[in-house]
Amino acid sequence: DGGITQSPKYLFRKEGQNVTLSCEQNLNHDAMYWYRQDPGQGLRLIYYSQIVNDFQKGDIAEGYSVSREKKESFPLTVTSAQKNPTAFYLCASSMPAGQGSTNEKLFFGSGTQLSVL
Amino acid sequence: AQTVTQSQPEMSVQEAETVTLSCTYDTSESDYYLFWYKQPPSRQMILVIRQEAYKQQNATENRFSVNFQKAAKSFSLKISDSQLGDAAMYFCAYRSAGSGNTPLVFGKGTRLSVIA
Repeated sequence: DGGITQSPKYLFRKEGQNVTLSCEQNLNHDAMYWYRQDPGQGLRLIYYSQIVNDFQKGDIAEGYSVSREKKESFPLTVTSAQKNPTAFYLCASSMPAGQGSTNEKLFFGSGTQLSVL
Repeated sequence: AQTVTQSQPEMSVQEAETVTLSCTYDTSESDYYLFWYKQPPSRQMILVIRQEAYKQQNATENRFSVNFQKAAKSFSLKISDSQLGDAAMYFCAYRSAGSGNTPLVFGKGTRLSVIA
């Protein structure tokens, strides 16, 4: 079955440590996205990539880094510069949106809960 | 930049009754998509309904329907015959329909409780 796989489901970070969240998709989608969810804040965009080897900062990119070396994969690294990393992280993918398109929705993974030890 | 506002942090409804969740958005674009996503306790994001801005007709999906007012930039979700399984966080979202892949912009969500 096609879909998006995020791992791990739960992740713990120690002080000063970098951690990487995995996101893999087999939907053959060009674009992938990372969102952060905090209680009462909705989903906020961290980074997104429209094509392999290219990505753009979202609204809250500070303290995070990404890479897009393969179409299927878009890992997110939470660096030690991110002072408040505790949150739920959602990865998504999509095809281009356009008038008459039926491909405009985003497909979401099941998320990773990151907590600080 | 586009923004999405959900003014009701929490709502409740009696089972079998009807409830309407509000959403307004701000944009200067004429072509875009609007969505309602449901997030149950499992935290999996589930698409409830979508609306294309260039279509006048309001979208419906079984018990879910929208009231899309383009001039007012309003996009409310009506849930009819509410069921216990409808209890969840509901997010309104906006996506540009320009060329290429654009991210969704989300509101802060409305937590819906269903009372038996």
